[in-house]
Amino acid sequence: QVQLQESGPGLVKPSQTLSLTCTVSGGSISSGGYYWSWIRQHPGKGLEWIGYIYYSGSTYYNPSLKSRVTISVDTSKNQFSLKLSSVTAADTAVYYCARVGTKRTDFDYWGQGTLVTVSS
Amino acid sequence: DIQMTQSPSSLSASVGDRVTITCQASQDISNYLNWYQQKPGKAPKLLIYDASNLETGVPSRFSGSGSGTDFTFTISSLQPEDIATYYCQQYDNLPPAFGQGTRLEIK
Repeated sequence: QVQLQESGPGLVKPSQTLSLTCTVSGGSISSGGYYWSWIRQHPGKGLEWIGYIYYSGSTYYNPSLKSRVTISVDTSKNQFSLKLSSVTAADTAVYYCARVGTKRTDFDYWGQGTLVTVSS
Repeated sequence: DIQMTQSPSSLSASVGDRVTITCQASQDISNYLNWYQQKPGKAPKLLIYDASNLETGVPSRFSGSGSGTDFTFTISSLQPEDIATYYCQQYDNLPPAFGQGTRLEIK
């Protein structure tokens, strides 16, 4: 059973960089076949896809966030990470990591989510 | 980007009722439409993929239909544990996009 677990600071100051890591267990990122995504949910709101990475390091970002987002992968640790720069209060959200198959269109496994608050 | 419009935004129904939620895409997305259930404080859970395929382990009272731009999600007989917010999601074109959600309550 694949499991994803987000980790990182729950509080980030405005203008700083938000950094989160997703640790995958029960499956290897380097085996391929999946894109590893970050998705966020503003409090009481809907879901926004941030971007994804393949084990090779190829990425695709949501154009609405592209200028501030970097997603990286560490196959040796079976982890992938999110960095979002120049954060504001509008970046306060629950951040989820999730998996989607390269031949599928659905996010079949999700982490439990982590709340990141941007505040001084 | 493709926009997804869900309706209604909230819905109140009784146990045993048939419940229907619709999702409309701003352009043709073939059958690349998925449905999720999200309970408070939890991550979304995949219920239906590719418009009409039931994810393994999901009760058969959940179903989906549609193609192109118009899609429907149905609960044939509402159960108390179905209280949640439901989201549609397209993945025909990047970026993937979610509908705004339908909050389902028990009458």
